[in-house]
Amino acid sequence: DIQMTQSPSSLSASVGDRVTITCRASQSISSYLNWYQQKPGKAPKLLIYAASSLQNGVPSRFSGRGSGTDFTLTISSLQPEDFASYHCQQSYSTPFTFGPGTKVDIK
Amino acid sequence: QAQLVQSGAEVKKPGASVKVSCKASGYTFTNYYMHWVRQAPGQGLEWMGIINPSGGSTTYAQNFQGRVTMTRDTSTSTVYMELSSLRSEDTAVYYCAKVGVVAPQALDIWGQGTMVTVSS
Repeated sequence: DIQMTQSPSSLSASVGDRVTITCRASQSISSYLNWYQQKPGKAPKLLIYAASSLQNGVPSRFSGRGSGTDFTLTISSLQPEDFASYHCQQSYSTPFTFGPGTKVDIK
Repeated sequence: QAQLVQSGAEVKKPGASVKVSCKASGYTFTNYYMHWVRQAPGQGLEWMGIINPSGGSTTYAQNFQGRVTMTRDTSTSTVYMELSSLRSEDTAVYYCAKVGVVAPQALDIWGQGTMVTVSS
C-alpha cells in the first residue's frame, strides 16, 4: 500500500497569511493526488485534483503543485472560511489512501 | 445538481452487522464509480473500497476484506455498504462519495455521512 504523510499536522495562522501544506507519498504516484477541505461535522470537499487542477467553484487562492512523491497545497491569502482540516489522497492505486490531515486554526 | 443522500445514524452491538445506504440523484448513476470512506472520531479519513454501479464490480481495502460488502441497486440509484462482525473500533462516520467527471478517482460529491456507533 502507498503511505501518505502530511506536514505539519496542525498550524496556526492569521487572516491574510500565506499557508503551505506538504503531502508526501511513499512511492511515486505521478500526479494522482487530490486535496480535500473538511470543516467540523461536515463531509470533505474536493479542492484540487490531479495535483494542480482547481475544482470548479473553488477560489483561486487555493493552488496545488507537485508530482512523483512530493506535493504542496498553498492558500495564498487565508480567509476566515479557510480555517478547517485539509487532507491529501492518492488516486494512483488501490487502496486510495489519505494522508493524516492538517488542521489550520486561527492564531 | 448531483447529490448523495445517506441513511440515518445506527447503533449496533459488537458482533452485529450494519448496512448503510447512499441514494444518488441529479446525474447518471451508472456512469460514475462510488467510493466508501470512513472517519473515526477525531481521526483521519480511511478509504474502504469502491463499487462500479454499472456492473457491480468491487475492490475493497485489505483492512476490510471479508467483513465489507458493497452492492448497488440500479433501479433506485442506490449503493449499499454492509460491514459485519462490528467491533468498537468501527465506530465512525461512514461516507459515500462519487468520482468526478474530469479527474480519475477524485471524489467530487460526498454524502452527508452516517454515524455508526458500536457499543455494548
